[in-house]
Amino acid sequence: AQKVTQAQTEISVVEKEDVTLDCVYETRDTTYYLFWYKQPPSGELVFLIRRNSFDEQNEISGRYSWNFQKSTSSFNFTITASQVVDSAVYFCALRVNDYKLSFGAGTTVTVRA
Amino acid sequence: KAGVTQTPRYLIKTRGQQVTLSCSPISGHRSVSWYQQTPGQGLQFLFEYFSETQRNKGNFPGRFSGRQFSNSRSEMNVSTLELGDSALYLCASSLDPLNNEQFFGPGTRLTVL
Repeated sequence: AQKVTQAQTEISVVEKEDVTLDCVYETRDTTYYLFWYKQPPSGELVFLIRRNSFDEQNEISGRYSWNFQKSTSSFNFTITASQVVDSAVYFCALRVNDYKLSFGAGTTVTVRA
Repeated sequence: KAGVTQTPRYLIKTRGQQVTLSCSPISGHRSVSWYQQTPGQGLQFLFEYFSETQRNKGNFPGRFSGRQFSNSRSEMNVSTLELGDSALYLCASSLDPLNNEQFFGPGTRLTVL
């Protein structure tokens, strides 16, 4: 069975602070994909990144960066110099083969001006 | 390119009624998945359709059903509504089941009174 754990329920920061969201996953499969999605108040899930299990390179996209470590089964997400527009719920998800996305419980990020 | 569209956006029903939700995938996308999002259970997979066939089904009662049409549009139906069916229902589309990039629609918020 697949499982995704996002231990942080809520994080509140002041604008320009960095914020790191933790994600720990469980799967027995060697081939899998990890995702991060952002859900603003409008409700639509916005795709941020996909990572396959064979690619442990960290990635940076603007103010966003991701740290994938298979040894600890973690796929953490950092927002650098946060902005009010980053306020949203962030979900980490796992997909094995071509089956369903298994989502974590989500972390609510509030960035205060 | 237009995104995933879902209709209606909001719906209010009473217990015992049935409801049909619609999802139009991104043009060219042939795989459609449905998810239910509630505060208590989070995001849970309902089912996935590809080429008018249900490929996978989540752990939901038979009151939840769906179908996909030849133009890849999909509908899901919930019969004999219960209060616990109140949720945000999200539809996601992808090119095909092996393509891991799923794009989500804005969702349909169903309230059961």
